[in-house]
Amino acid sequence: DVKVTQSSRYLVKRTGEKVFLECVQDMDHENMFWYRQDPGLGLRLIYFSYDVKMKEKGDIPEGYSVSREKKERFSLILESASTNQTSMYLCASSLSGARNQPQHFGDGTRLSIL
Amino acid sequence: AQSVTQLGSHVSVSEGALVLLRCNYSSSVPPYLFWYVQYPNQGLQLLLKYTSAATLVKGINGFEAEFKKSETSFHLTKPSAHMSDAAEYFCAATNSGGSNYKLTFGKGTLLTVNP
Repeated sequence: DVKVTQSSRYLVKRTGEKVFLECVQDMDHENMFWYRQDPGLGLRLIYFSYDVKMKEKGDIPEGYSVSREKKERFSLILESASTNQTSMYLCASSLSGARNQPQHFGDGTRLSIL
Repeated sequence: AQSVTQLGSHVSVSEGALVLLRCNYSSSVPPYLFWYVQYPNQGLQLLLKYTSAATLVKGINGFEAEFKKSETSFHLTKPSAHMSDAAEYFCAATNSGGSNYKLTFGKGTLLTVNP
């Protein structure tokens, strides 16, 4: 089974801090994704990566950046955290760019910005 | 751009009753379609996927979904609800074009199962 591991289940940070969310997958997947999930809004794509050091903006990239230095690891960075970034963050991976490949999700990080 | 609509943000059924969760997509080109389930404080788990091989797709936990091109729909059903089915369900569709696909998700339907 594919395992996608997010480093923290719960995280509390202060406004203005630089925040790192880490995600690791163990199945040599090419694609990795970061979403945020908010009640009533569903999942919204922040960034995705289709190869090491390659990234593309999703639907809501403002205030975020990402890093993918190794194939198995994809980091989401909040450059200067703000209270409106309080949310559930979900990482996902998929085997390839083929459109029939499902995404596999981690358990999420619930981030609170105070 | 693709959009996915899930009719009903909250569906409530009795244990043993039919479960029907609705999903419609917007693309004129049939996309690949997925249903995911999310249990409290967990990530999303794949229930089933439509990839054009068959219009009726069977998934895990007794769920199935039927792709209807004429209705641009991919509704999820289960003949008999169980208490353990209580969760949030998300329909998702691929965007057309490009080699590195993204998924567009519906806003989710929370399923409550009453004893």
